[in-house]
Amino acid sequence: DAKTTQPNSMESNEEEPVHLPCNHSTISGTDYIHWYRQLPSQGPEYVIHGLTSNVNNRMASLAIAEDRKSSTLILHRATLRDAAVYYCILRDQSGNNRKLIWGLGTSLAVNP
Amino acid sequence: ETGVTQSPTHLIKTRGQQVTLRCSSQSGHNTVSWYQQALGQGPQFIFQYYREEENGRGNFPPRFSGLQFPNYSSELNVNALELDDSALYLCASSLGVGRRGTEAFFGQGTRLTVV
Repeated sequence: DAKTTQPNSMESNEEEPVHLPCNHSTISGTDYIHWYRQLPSQGPEYVIHGLTSNVNNRMASLAIAEDRKSSTLILHRATLRDAAVYYCILRDQSGNNRKLIWGLGTSLAVNP
Repeated sequence: ETGVTQSPTHLIKTRGQQVTLRCSSQSGHNTVSWYQQALGQGPQFIFQYYREEENGRGNFPPRFSGLQFPNYSSELNVNALELDDSALYLCASSLGVGRRGTEAFFGQGTRLTVV
């Protein structure tokens, strides 16, 4: 299973942009890049996913490197509610087993 | 609110006992996955069910078993509980197993403590 590497923790100020990096050098051609976040005492929450092209939604943007070996989740204006653990995950869509392989994630702190 | 509900929210069991955790998936979702999350760790994949059949399993022993019902709700059963089984158990529902990446919706989890 392809693995992802993320910084253990990051810090940001409220209303500033946040760039959360993820390395996935062993990614295969059929792996989608998913991001989830988990707020304290809650289940994980879907943020965004992509395959090759950059993606935008109401929560965030996902920038994917041309070689797909890394990606960056961009929160355009951090709020206190964005403080959470952010997980970058690869999901293989090629076979029947579509499990998500989770790492330790990045714990994001947002300062007022 | 994701529409995925898990019960119970908290549970205390004794080592050696058996436990059943339940999950109601989001309406229309035919795929359910179960994860175990130890404190300070990311979720670990246990298994996945698609249309009532298991179609993927992580590195968990056979005493972890599951079921998916015709209405796509699901159960996770754990026999012969061990202290290390203490964790947050998460259920996630999603739609289909097609080639597009699909988002999974998680419940709030069941906190299991084995004493």
